[in-house]
Amino acid sequence: KQEVTQIPAALSVPEGENLVLNCSFTDSAIYNLQWFRQDPGKGLTSLLLIQSSQREQTSGRLNASLDKSSGRSTLYIAASQPGDSATYLCAVVAPPYGYALNFGKGTSLLVTP
Amino acid sequence: NAGVTQTPKFQVLKTGQSMTLQCAQDMNHNSMYWYRQDPGMGLRLIYYSASEGTTDKGEVPNGYNVSRLNKREFSLRLESAAPSQTSVYFCASSESGSNQPQHFGDGTRLSIL
Repeated sequence: KQEVTQIPAALSVPEGENLVLNCSFTDSAIYNLQWFRQDPGKGLTSLLLIQSSQREQTSGRLNASLDKSSGRSTLYIAASQPGDSATYLCAVVAPPYGYALNFGKGTSLLVTP
Repeated sequence: NAGVTQTPKFQVLKTGQSMTLQCAQDMNHNSMYWYRQDPGMGLRLIYYSASEGTTDKGEVPNGYNVSRLNKREFSLRLESAAPSQTSVYFCASSESGSNQPQHFGDGTRLSIL
């Protein structure tokens, strides 16, 4: 059974810092890995999708990497802002449930002014 | 610009009552999903529908039924609600294929007393 783990569970940083969120998964037979943002009381917003054949994806201040062979992904956030405060979820698309997502428990990020 | 719409947003039920959670998407997506989110457990897949006319069980299907009414709508039914089904329920949709991002609704917060 695929297990997705995110470390740390919570993180607090001052505004302006660069930071890295970590995600690991136990089975490398994935189709892709996705990073989401979840604000309190809200749904999930897709941030980045990395296909299994890719090594990284970038969107603005966000950069996600994927090392499928070692079962690891990182989400790098540059020059953090208070508006980045949210829970960040990592998920993989892998068998046996079609193309459904298998989620980690998330990292709760607080960026302080 | 609606995306994925879930109704109701909040609901309180008594043990043994039944209810249907509604989900509709306006993006002409083939695939739809139901997840539940519980503290400390992350999001888990309940049921999914890869295309209109098909539904399949996910990781935690017990106590639930689904109907893919048409391409737009995918409903989740609790026949006899139990306190263990207290959770936040999210519906999501995506294009067909292994490398399509999923789009989420804002969730239904359900309490079973």
